[in-house]
Amino acid sequence: NAGVTQTPKFQVLKTGQSMTLQCAQDMNHNSMYWYRQDPGMGLRLIYYSASEGTTDKGEVPNGYNVSRLNKREFSLRLESAAPSQTSVYFCASSDRQAHVFGQGTRLTVV
Amino acid sequence: QKEVEQNSGPLSVPEGAIASLNCTYSDRGSQSFFWYRQYSGKSPELIMSIYSNGDKEDGRFTAQLNKASQYVSLLIRDSQPSDSATYLCAVINSGGSNYKLTFGKGTLLTVNP
Repeated sequence: NAGVTQTPKFQVLKTGQSMTLQCAQDMNHNSMYWYRQDPGMGLRLIYYSASEGTTDKGEVPNGYNVSRLNKREFSLRLESAAPSQTSVYFCASSDRQAHVFGQGTRLTVV
Repeated sequence: QKEVEQNSGPLSVPEGAIASLNCTYSDRGSQSFFWYRQYSGKSPELIMSIYSNGDKEDGRFTAQLNKASQYVSLLIRDSQPSDSATYLCAVINSGGSNYKLTFGKGTLLTVNP
């Protein structure tokens, strides 16, 4: 039972480069989320998808886009990476209540 | 802005002692409350959920909820060094159907052998 799988685990980008973080869940959950976690800031919601076909902004959406490809997959795209986007990114899924998290992606933008 | 507040710690307790972690929230209509444990470099994992006023026990863990005071706590009995981690309080705010969680910034717990 894989749960929530994120790829890649680590990534280094140069300022201005683009990339997509992938997330897939096998628990048949309706809702999926992308968070970033920074020291002293806690977990902050970037975007979420309450159900297949819908996406909404969270607390810190600027500089990001998302795609809910199907019920299983929810991707996060950085179109033009900035050093301020250096962070640990977590994908999560839920079915009405508690979230299940992926293992995280550590992204460094230089 | 709906907020969840936790003491950042670090909270240091000796092995075998009771660790008490506290959390307050601003949205009086919140209905669902969670405690996550996060080891350094790892992802958060759910350890307790609570939805009604009172206590909920699961092994060495007890969650306590007081909606009138907008307060939720986590007690860890017989603390072990393996309990050393950051504990995150999370709340599902009232309104809507999107089940978004608002997290506190976490309390770092250190259990000393």
